[in-house]
Parts: sequence; C-alpha cells; structure tokens
Amino acid sequence: QSALTQPPSASGSPGQSVTISCTGTSSDVGGYNYVSWYQQHPDKAPKLMIYEVSKRPSGVPDRFSGSKSANTASLTVSGLQAEDEADYFCTSYAGSNNRVVFGGGTKLTVL
Amino acid sequence: QVQLQESGPGLVKPSETLSLTCAVSGYAISSGYYWGWIRQPPGKGLEWIGSIYHNGNTYYNSSLKSRVTISVDTSKNQFSLKMNSVTAADTAVYYCARDVGVRGEFHFWGQGTVVTVSS
Repeated sequence: QSALTQPPSASGSPGQSVTISCTGTSSDVGGYNYVSWYQQHPDKAPKLMIYEVSKRPSGVPDRFSGSKSANTASLTVSGLQAEDEADYFCTSYAGSNNRVVFGGGTKLTVL
Repeated sequence: QVQLQESGPGLVKPSETLSLTCAVSGYAISSGYYWGWIRQPPGKGLEWIGSIYHNGNTYYNSSLKSRVTISVDTSKNQFSLKMNSVTAADTAVYYCARDVGVRGEFHFWGQGTVVTVSS
C-alpha cells in the first residue's frame, strides 16, 4: 500500500482538462511544498513534469500544472492530447525519518 | 546533458546480494546534488530506495534500510546499490536518478534495468 493515495484511473477526451489528485497527510503533502509529479509511458523511465508543487521543468508544456490544498496535491492536464496518455505518479517529501514517499499511480486515458 | 546508465546482473538468486552500478556522464558527481535509486516491481508503482550525496552521506527508505547500502565513487563518476538477502519481492526495474535534496525531485533518470530474483 502506497503512502500517498491516487485514483487508479482518470480519463478525458482530446482538448478537455483532467485533474489527478494525490492525498497524503500533514506529515508529507500537507507539511511541505515538495510535491513532484512524474509521467511514465509504457516501458519508459519516469519523466519529471512538476516539482515543488507547481513548478515546471524546462521543456514541459504549460498544459501541465500543479497545485496543493491542505493534504491533497493535484495535477491538471489541460487541452488533453493523445500523447498525454500515460501513468502519472506523485511524490512528496515526508520528513527526516522517511524522506520520500510515492503515490500508487494513476493511469490517464485519452478517449 | 546529464545521462545516467544502470548496469549489473539481471538475475539474482534468492538470499543473495543484488549489486547495481549507475554511471553518470555530462556532470561530475563531485560537483554536487544527490544521487538516488528507485525501483518499480512489475505492474506496480515506484518506490524510493535511497539516495547519497557526493560526500558519502546516505539516506534510506526505512523499510529497506537494514538490507541496503548505497556508495559513491567520484573518481569513476558512478554510484552503486547493494541489497542483501533478496527475495522474489525484490524483482523490479531499478532506476538511478539525480536527486535534488532527497525530497522526491528527480530531474534526470537512467533507462532502468530489470532485476529478477529467482533460483
């Protein structure tokens, strides 16, 4: 069982927006602004899409955005495109004892 | 551009030690950052194993800490993972990555290497 809770699946049609949630506790997501999101296509390494809750690495389209409210972080993909179909994982800093925790992942389907 | 490449045996017997190396190019490990290992069992999610700073300071997932050792060799610009007493549950794709501050922020990843634990 993963430390952070994500819905197993999400879907949307091309051009639509979809939001994926990542729920933790005050000891991880709610306690720090260190939430990251990764995109993983089949048989590929994960790719960082969002870090520090809402920052985008160079080269990541601005269709991808991140936010956080209390113990829940969210990834929003706007203007869905076929290539956005992938698994998405969240991660958070969890304090000095067990520093990094991952969510179980969400499979995003573009209908 | 920073590149990472994992290497090591693809098959390990139960109770033995898994050993992997991550070769880094395009950036000198001695210049900074943390360097981490993450794994992904077949069809499952990601799990952070641990990270190391260039000076040798290590940070481990508490659930794996008793079996894991991460080391760094700045002269070869590589870092390594050893996991002892492996079982079938350790079968996974193992990734190495450049870590920012041991807080789940991995900007650069290796392609991953499959390790199967089986007799």
